[in-house]
Amino acid sequence: AQSVTQLDSQVPVFEEAPVELRCNYSSSVSVYLFWYVQYPNQGLQLLLKYLSGSTLVKGINGFEAEFNKSQTSFHLRKPSVHISDTAEYFCAVSIQVGSQGNLIFGKGTKLSVKP
Amino acid sequence: ETGVTQTPRHLVMGMTNKKSLKCEQHLGHNAMYWYKQSAKKPLELMFVYNFKEQTENNSVPSRFSPECPNSSHLFLHLHTLQPEDSALYLCASSPTGAATGELFFGEGSRLTVL
Repeated sequence: AQSVTQLDSQVPVFEEAPVELRCNYSSSVSVYLFWYVQYPNQGLQLLLKYLSGSTLVKGINGFEAEFNKSQTSFHLRKPSVHISDTAEYFCAVSIQVGSQGNLIFGKGTKLSVKP
Repeated sequence: ETGVTQTPRHLVMGMTNKKSLKCEQHLGHNAMYWYKQSAKKPLELMFVYNFKEQTENNSVPSRFSPECPNSSHLFLHLHTLQPEDSALYLCASSPTGAATGELFFGEGSRLTVL
């Protein structure tokens, strides 16, 4: 069965500092990988996704993630965070079964950016 | 504005009440989903509909009853709920299956069961 582990439940960081949010997954088959963000009192919004090709994926708001198959990781990074990046970030994996596939989410990492 | 609208945004109900959550998408998508978001737990997929047909029921208790009258509307009927059912219920849509596509989420309905 597939699973997703987000190693940090909370990450506090100062404004303009770099940040890395960690995500590891387990799966016996090829997966698709996603990062979603949830701002306070809102639904989830896609940040970026890895389907195939280049292992370095760039997303919105200056975020990027790198797919590492040997380490089964898909860590999210940003070189310089802003106050507005304060939100909860969810890693998700999906496999395709026939014509269908469903996302499995991690528990989330709360990023808190302080001035 | 994601194109997925959920109502009501907040709902408080007693354990004997019957209420419904509504979701509407204006994106022309063919798949719709209900997720449950509880504190300190991963998002739990509840139901999936493709072209109005239910394709997944993730062992959800029968006190939750989904309805999908067309590809644009999705309901979650609630009856005789328990306090542990208090959570944020998120609706999402996608063009087809979720595997390679992006899910578009609504802002959620915050449910409190007294």
